[in-house]
Amino acid sequence: SQQGEEDPQALSIQEGENATMNCSYKTSINNLQWYRQNSGRGLVHLILIRSNEREKHSGRLRVTLDTSKKSSSLLITASRAADTASYFCASRITGGGNKLTFGTGTQLKVEL
Amino acid sequence: NAGVTQTPKFRVLKTGQSMTLLCAQDMNHEYMYWYRQDPGMGLRLIHYSVGEGTTAKGEVPDGYNVSRLKKQNFLLGLESAAPSQTSVYFCASSYSSNRAPRLNTGELFFGEGSRLTVL
Repeated sequence: SQQGEEDPQALSIQEGENATMNCSYKTSINNLQWYRQNSGRGLVHLILIRSNEREKHSGRLRVTLDTSKKSSSLLITASRAADTASYFCASRITGGGNKLTFGTGTQLKVEL
Repeated sequence: NAGVTQTPKFRVLKTGQSMTLLCAQDMNHEYMYWYRQDPGMGLRLIHYSVGEGTTAKGEVPDGYNVSRLKKQNFLLGLESAAPSQTSVYFCASSYSSNRAPRLNTGELFFGEGSRLTVL
């Protein structure tokens, strides 16, 4: 079964708006990562948040982690058409070595 | 810097045929992984390796074999392809979790994918 479930499955917004994607996971984690995948391409790492962190920023990205609710959110501010992609959360399970378990992804479409 | 390179990018097989996907990385990473991506399923780990000469099963290993004879290469084999193995396969690599914190961010570096169709 999937460790990560993402919500929503698809999101369509206008350029300049903010996009929020949520991820829930099932077991204790060391860290949670977000990846981006453009259509037909490989995944690219965006940001990592450790289990003892609650919020992290990188450019227009803001990630939060709530270990009590086993959930994380990714906020993209001032979205651009170039942000159109699929976004995946991936969790590194405690005691699971360096393996990552991926969520099902959110397809984001940013329209002009 | 090539990063992670997968070959071939596309392949069509008939049921029962065998093939090997090759993954090569030039970042001196200890860990390498093979994932498959299917619609609505996200990425699922097939096999992984924590070093040269070692391999381990992931979430969905049945029907696949792997080998890591050289640190930079990780091969995924299908001995007898089945239609259920139609998928996009991604190779990834990362530093060992034993690396100094400044070197090991825990991130995976992915190849561009290999699209396999089994008829």
